[in-house]
Amino acid sequence: QQQVKQSPQSLIVQKGGISIINCAYENTAFDYFPWYQQFPGKGPALLIAIRPDVSEKKEGRFTISFNKSAKQFSLHIMDSQPGDSATYFCAASGYSGAGSYQLTFGKGTKLSVIP
Amino acid sequence: GAGVSQSPSNKVTEKGKDVELRCDPISGHTALYWYRQSLGQGLEFLIYFQGNSAPDKSGLPSDRFSAERTGGSVSTLTIQRTQQEDSAVYLCASSPQGPNIMNEQFFGPGTRLTVL
Repeated sequence: QQQVKQSPQSLIVQKGGISIINCAYENTAFDYFPWYQQFPGKGPALLIAIRPDVSEKKEGRFTISFNKSAKQFSLHIMDSQPGDSATYFCAASGYSGAGSYQLTFGKGTKLSVIP
Repeated sequence: GAGVSQSPSNKVTEKGKDVELRCDPISGHTALYWYRQSLGQGLEFLIYFQGNSAPDKSGLPSDRFSAERTGGSVSTLTIQRTQQEDSAVYLCASSPQGPNIMNEQFFGPGTRLTVL
């Protein structure tokens, strides 16, 4: 069964600190790894994504690090702000075998950034 | 432009009743997905529609669940004989084309279903 394991389940970081969320996958056929951000009462929204041909992608304060050999990827939020408080989901995309590509999501990390 | 909309935003029903959840995707998006989000369980894929192709129903948890998409636009997810374990947030997403793994999925706000 395709799985994406995400940790930690919750994270508390002080303002200005670095938030790190980790994910691991099993299916080597996965070849697209997005991170989604979800605020309470809202649907998830794409934050940043990476393909396995690169080891790192940075957009502003958000960086994805990717380790293909270890089948792990992580999200780093630099200079974390209270407005970053949300639930973060990692995901992986692969062919479902039924004519479509699906996103398999991790269980989410609830990030709280305290002033 | 409007995003993905879903209705109702909240639905409370009694065990055994049928419910219908509606999704209006972004205009022009040919791919439409339904997900279920249970507390602490992440996002569970349910069903995928792409244009006029047969839907991918591989994620539907039981035959009590069904979905249709009329005219390649609006979609309805129907749950028959609801059970308490069906309580969750049901999310709809659309993307501009598919299947293409690089296409961003745009999510609606979800319908929170509570089965008493």
